[in-house]
Amino acid sequence: DQQVKQNSPSLSVQEGRISILNCDYTNSMFDYFLWYKKYPAEGPTFLISISSIKDKNEDGRFTVFLNKSAKHLSLHIVPSQPGDSAVYFCAASGMNRDDKIIFGKGTRLHILP
Amino acid sequence: DSGVTQTPKHLITATGQRVTLRCSPRSGDLSVYWYQQSLDQGLQFLIQYYNGEERAKGNILERFSAQQFPDLHSELNLSSLELGDSALYFCASSTGVNEKLFFGSGTQLSVL
Repeated sequence: DQQVKQNSPSLSVQEGRISILNCDYTNSMFDYFLWYKKYPAEGPTFLISISSIKDKNEDGRFTVFLNKSAKHLSLHIVPSQPGDSAVYFCAASGMNRDDKIIFGKGTRLHILP
Repeated sequence: DSGVTQTPKHLITATGQRVTLRCSPRSGDLSVYWYQQSLDQGLQFLIQYYNGEERAKGNILERFSAQQFPDLHSELNLSSLELGDSALYFCASSTGVNEKLFFGSGTQLSVL
């Protein structure tokens, strides 16, 4: 049972435009959400996070939006740059000490010149 | 550089064999996590340790085991290897529990 779903395996966006990556979750106990970025032959690196008490968190070109009622979050990258081409993973966790951090399958983002 | 060190980077072995993957967390981090990434499967959570104690378990096979030592490094042992165990195994660490994770660059395991 996949608790964190990234339904788009890949996405292509023109350089300079907005990239929107989506993520859905099923477990209503999740209250901390993270986005990671992964380049080939490297480990994932943390990008941005949001807790359930917020509906938006912004860091430079990256903004994460959380819609708790829809169990949906999205990552907006604007403007998109060539270096943003990577695989993006959505992850979620509860705040109990025994909770696991569950990752989605990832979305491969291609930034087109 | 995340500060998390995984060795070896690549491992090629045969079915039925046993291997050990090693992870050194970032200095000061008490939590260690192991994830498996197979083709089209994303990052599958295997197991988590906090300061030497097992804290959470995911879809880890009985043929797999792990531990975290007093110096906080961790080892993932994979035994009776099968072709389907071929994957990229990541270790991550964090300061506390379920905080931002810092990942190593992974160990690519190929079972032939």
